[in-house]
Amino acid sequence: GEQVEQLPSILRVQERSSASINCTYENSASNYFPWYKQEPGENPKLIIDIRSNMERKQIQGLIVLLDKKAKRFSLHITDTQPADSAMYFCAASVGATGGNNKLTFGQGTVLSVIP
Amino acid sequence: GPKVLQIPSHQIIDMGQMVTLNCDPVSNHLYFYWYKQILGQQMEFLVNFYNGKVMEKSKLFKDQFSVERPDGSYFTLKIQPTALEDSAVYFCASSLELGGQNTLYFGAGTRLSVL
Repeated sequence: GEQVEQLPSILRVQERSSASINCTYENSASNYFPWYKQEPGENPKLIIDIRSNMERKQIQGLIVLLDKKAKRFSLHITDTQPADSAMYFCAASVGATGGNNKLTFGQGTVLSVIP
Repeated sequence: GPKVLQIPSHQIIDMGQMVTLNCDPVSNHLYFYWYKQILGQQMEFLVNFYNGKVMEKSKLFKDQFSVERPDGSYFTLKIQPTALEDSAVYFCASSLELGGQNTLYFGAGTRLSVL
């Protein structure tokens, strides 16, 4: 199976600074790495993802990095705002044709952006 | 964006009773999933379902669990009988296609409390 470790579990940053969350995985066959943001009482929402054929992806202020050799991937939020405060989950899955979308999640990071 | 609806948001039942959790997936999606999240921990895969059949299930998907989607209505998770350790938030998800790189859309979860 797959195991995903996520750190830190709690992250507090000042508004407009950057925040970084790191995840490691065990299964070298994992090739899809999505990040989900979950606000209290809401559903987890996909905010960005990266596939194994890439090392870096950016969508506006979100950057994800993937180091396949180290089996490590990370989310960087630049210029944080209070609205970024939420729980963030990383995940990994093995899948191409015939894959089963069985996402393995990290333990989650509670991000608090202090005004 | 696409929405997955879960009903009810909170269910309280006595141990040994039966419970059915309901999920209304995204309308054109074909693949459906249940994940379990114990308080403070990550979401864990329970089962995925396609074309009326369970495709894969984890060891968390006990014999007391069953899933179905009769005639395109709600995708349901039934637990009969319930046990204290079934208390958790259950998230439903759906995706358009299978394959590990397809986006899963999650519902807001049903918090199940077994007394």
